[in-house]
Amino acid sequence: AQSVTQLGSHVSVSEGALVLLRCNYSSSVPPYLFWYVQYPNQGLQLLLKYTTGATLVKGINGFEAEFKKSETSFHLTKPSAHMSDAAEYFCAVSSGGYNKLIFGAGTRLAVHP
Amino acid sequence: NAGVTQTPKFQVLKTGQSMTLQCAQDMNHEYMSWYRQDPGMGLRLIHYSVGAGITDQGEVPNGYNVSRSTTEDFPLRLLSAAPSQTSVYFCASRPDGARKNTEAFFGQGTRLTVV
Repeated sequence: AQSVTQLGSHVSVSEGALVLLRCNYSSSVPPYLFWYVQYPNQGLQLLLKYTTGATLVKGINGFEAEFKKSETSFHLTKPSAHMSDAAEYFCAVSSGGYNKLIFGAGTRLAVHP
Repeated sequence: NAGVTQTPKFQVLKTGQSMTLQCAQDMNHEYMSWYRQDPGMGLRLIHYSVGAGITDQGEVPNGYNVSRSTTEDFPLRLLSAAPSQTSVYFCASRPDGARKNTEAFFGQGTRLTVV
């Protein structure tokens, strides 16, 4: 069965610092991977996705993620954090029958001045 | 440009009561699903549908029923509410369930409290 593990339920960074949110997946077939962001009291919106092709994927708001098959990872990064990046981030894999989206537990990112 | 619309946004139920959470999408998406979000557990799939008349269970289906009579609507029914069903519920739709690379579009959520 497919699964997603997000390391670190809470991450805190200073404004301007590097953001690194970790995601590892388990899949018996080539995965399709997604990062979603959830701002307070809102639904989830797509940050970026990996399907096939280039392993470095760029998304909205300056985020990017690199698919590493050998490490079964899809970590999310942003070179310089902004206060508006404070939110909860979810990694997800689409796989299996009917391509269900399976989510990780989420990482809450805090950005302090 | 409505997207996925969920109603109500907030609801308080007494144990044993039943209710229906509504979800509608105007994007002609085939695939719709319901998730519940609980602290530290991410989003867990309750039920999903790959088209009108077709539904199936996700990982936490107990206590919930769904039906899909039209492409647009996918209501979630709580048969007899329990405190363990206190959660935030999200409806999501995807253009084509057969394609793995399609993103899901989410509603704003329904915050349900069962007392």
